Amino acid sequence: AAGVIQSPRHLIKEKRETATLKCYPIPRHDTVYWYQQGPGQDPQFLISFYEKMQSDKGSIPDRFSAQQFSDYHSELNMSSLELGDSALYFCASSLRAERTDTQYFGPGTRLTVL
Amino acid sequence: DAKTTQPPSMDCAEGRAANLPCNHSTISGNEYVYWYRQIHSQGPQYIIHGLKNNETNEMASLIITEDRKSSTLILPHATLRDTAVYYCILNDYKLSFGAGTTVTVRA
Repeated sequence: AAGVIQSPRHLIKEKRETATLKCYPIPRHDTVYWYQQGPGQDPQFLISFYEKMQSDKGSIPDRFSAQQFSDYHSELNMSSLELGDSALYFCASSLRAERTDTQYFGPGTRLTVL
Repeated sequence: DAKTTQPPSMDCAEGRAANLPCNHSTISGNEYVYWYRQIHSQGPQYIIHGLKNNETNEMASLIITEDRKSSTLILPHATLRDTAVYYCILNDYKLSFGAGTTVTVRA
């Protein structure tokens, strides 16, 4: 079965640079979620989109922005990168029309800020 | 504040059943109990979920108490590949990962 695709899988940036992470949800899923997992930490919810509209917002820094496109893929844009942004970034997708809205996660993007 | 409470760690012998408890005493009537696991830096993997009835799938069984204030995830025959951090989460359209239980399956 098709899974959530994230690209790139690894990314190395310098401080103050910009990064763009991409997420391709499972076909027919209409909702995308972004999570950040710092070293030794548990995943933390950043933001979600349902039918291309922001549906919920967590602890996402103002330097980060995201959107969901007409084909339902999503991009997380991160500017003025800081050392503390080094983390795993996971995308998950779900079909919100289902009452239970089960989220399925991608393999993640490992961002390293030098 | 964490909505679920899990033991920080547990060991299990390979081939034996692993029973993972979770307390969620403040659960509301329409909240589902979800279980995910994360195997070292991989994406969290969905295991099972339930509302009030016991559930079983190819990976595990979920037992929810009648008052819904606690639940137990059962891995019937643990293997070394089941070593992971297991998260019990109440789904509220966003998953709030708590500390989870680190399960180590030993040969």
